[in-house]
Amino acid sequence: GAVVSQHPSRVICKSGTSVKIECRSLDFQATTMFWYRQFPKQSLMLMATSNEGSKATYEQGVEKDKFLINHASLTLSTLTVTSAHPEDSSFYICSARTSDREYGYTFGSGTRLTVV
Amino acid sequence: DAKTTQPNSMESNEEEPVHLPCNHSTISGTDYIHWYRQLPSQGPEYVIHGLTSNVNNRMASLAIAEDRKSSTLILHRATLRDAAVYYCILNPGSNYKLTFGKGTLLTVNP
Repeated sequence: GAVVSQHPSRVICKSGTSVKIECRSLDFQATTMFWYRQFPKQSLMLMATSNEGSKATYEQGVEKDKFLINHASLTLSTLTVTSAHPEDSSFYICSARTSDREYGYTFGSGTRLTVV
Repeated sequence: DAKTTQPNSMESNEEEPVHLPCNHSTISGTDYIHWYRQLPSQGPEYVIHGLTSNVNNRMASLAIAEDRKSSTLILHRATLRDAAVYYCILNPGSNYKLTFGKGTLLTVNP
């Protein structure tokens, strides 16, 4: 089945620094990837849709200058949290889908970001 | 986006069947019904999806009402590893964004 690899699984950074999270589709090409954020005891909230070779589409209320998304190839999308602050601490999850509609969407294992 | 309604929580005993309901009365004709589950501190995992007919796979079965306004995810024999939050989501098309609701927290008792 389709596999999405997300790294790192955990990261702690200092306030004001930037953090990059990678999401790779290992055995399929993903023209579209999705980035979610999940706060404790809450559901997943879609942040943006990442399209290979074009600008990401951000959901309302998500700062595009703070959450930089790059989807430079069919197998890699990155999310960079710039000038991170403690309120950005969250669980970030990426997702993609193969072109084969027999399968659903595949999710990465998530990245736990803690900003101190 | 069409919305779904699920119970906040359900409880089951190990090795017994579990029926997780989902109401989606505003579903459109092209909406697929997707089910995902999420274990603590992990990304969601695909369980099953369908359009009109009932579906079976190695993980579960999906029973879809004839009018498609509701569906039921069936775990035939619950195990402790099935304890998770289960999300029922309507998806209108390939590569369309998935919108997650609160889901159903399934507790499995030994």
